[in-house]
Amino acid sequence: ETGVTQTPRHLVMGMTNKKSLKCEQHLGHNAMYWYKQSAKKPLELMFVYNFKEQTENNSVPSRFSPECPNSSHLFLHLHTLQPEDSALYLCASSQDFLGGEQPQHFGDGTRLSIL
Amino acid sequence: SQQGEEDPQALSIQEGENATMNCSYKTSINNLQWYRQNSGRGLVHLILIRSNEREKHSGRLRVTLDTSKKSSSLLITASRAADTASYFCALRRRNAGNMLTFGGGTRLMVKP
Repeated sequence: ETGVTQTPRHLVMGMTNKKSLKCEQHLGHNAMYWYKQSAKKPLELMFVYNFKEQTENNSVPSRFSPECPNSSHLFLHLHTLQPEDSALYLCASSQDFLGGEQPQHFGDGTRLSIL
Repeated sequence: SQQGEEDPQALSIQEGENATMNCSYKTSINNLQWYRQNSGRGLVHLILIRSNEREKHSGRLRVTLDTSKKSSSLLITASRAADTASYFCALRRRNAGNMLTFGGGTRLMVKP
């Protein structure tokens, strides 16, 4: 599955660093999602964008700041993270947010480690 | 809980055997989807079953849905070593757009 590409694949950063995760989809979709996958916890939805507009913010701390400049690109800006933020961050896309039966297509994620 | 809960959490079988994973939930759904995740990779959509459907097939996969019991099962027949992965059910709740709520997953190991 190469329709959704995430970079970098691995990221190690200190708590005071600022970094960004990037997601790009080549599927012509209009909805994009950020998920957090921690060990021994279900996949957690963080943000949803539909046609570049944020439609969902699932009570995510402000140290995570999403950006969606167009329907093909999604960023997650990271600032002053905590050790508990270490996780696999997955990006996904679907045709749009309101459609009834659209599977989500996932990238391979960015493995983030906070020192 | 608004998420699905998979059972068992882990399953180990021999190649050629069938694998059955279950998902229970408590909310009203529009559809239920199953995804697979190989180690270190993203999730891959396997199959979707609507709330008004009871059974669906796709290749070696068979999914059932019982809305009265709020449960679903995923059956993989004639398993292969390549089926080793984690399997997740995802709920699309009514009036929740295309938001999916994922369960904790079943880790399947198929031994050659």
